[in-house]
Amino acid sequence: AQSVSQHNHHVILSEAASLELGCNYSYGGTVNLFWYVQYPGQHLQLLLKYFSGDPLVKGIKGFEAEFIKSKFSFNLRKPSVQWSDTAEYFCAVNEDTGNQFYFGTGTSLTVIP
Amino acid sequence: GAGVSQTPSNKVTEKGKYVELRCDPISGHTALYWYRQSLGQGPEFLIYFQGTGAADDSGLPNDRFFAVRPEGSVSTLKIQRTERGDSAVYLCASSLGPQATQYFGPGTRLTVL
Repeated sequence: AQSVSQHNHHVILSEAASLELGCNYSYGGTVNLFWYVQYPGQHLQLLLKYFSGDPLVKGIKGFEAEFIKSKFSFNLRKPSVQWSDTAEYFCAVNEDTGNQFYFGTGTSLTVIP
Repeated sequence: GAGVSQTPSNKVTEKGKYVELRCDPISGHTALYWYRQSLGQGPEFLIYFQGTGAADDSGLPNDRFFAVRPEGSVSTLKIQRTERGDSAVYLCASSLGPQATQYFGPGTRLTVL
């Protein structure tokens, strides 16, 4: 079975700081990759996804992620965070021929004004 | 437009009881997923429906768990002889197809006393 690792469990940043959240997965085949965000009191929602093509994908709210196949990684980045980015962030992986989606344990981001 | 809805939002039950959790997907979404999220963890895949059929139920933890989607829209997750370890948030998501963006509901928080 797949495993997805998010090594940063809790990150605290000041506004305008740069953000990078790590995500590594274990499957050696073709994968689809996702970042989801859950703002306080809200549902999980998709930030961005990678299926194929340009390994640098851009999502909503200024977020981007880079797929590095050789490192089995899909790190999330944002050059300048805002207080409103405070949320829980989840990386997810889906095997290209599979139905299951595997989520990481999540990273809690707190942005201090 | 209407998103994915789940009822009830909270369910408290006693060990050994039977519970049903309901999911109303977005209209027209043929794919429906159930996940379980325990405290401090990411969503854990339970079952995937494509239309009326369970295309992948490999994530169901044991035979106490069962889900149906008789008309290809609303789905019910059924848990028999509940145990304290079943306490979690049960999430439902729907999408236009197996590889399309999933839209999550607010979840049902199940507490087994």
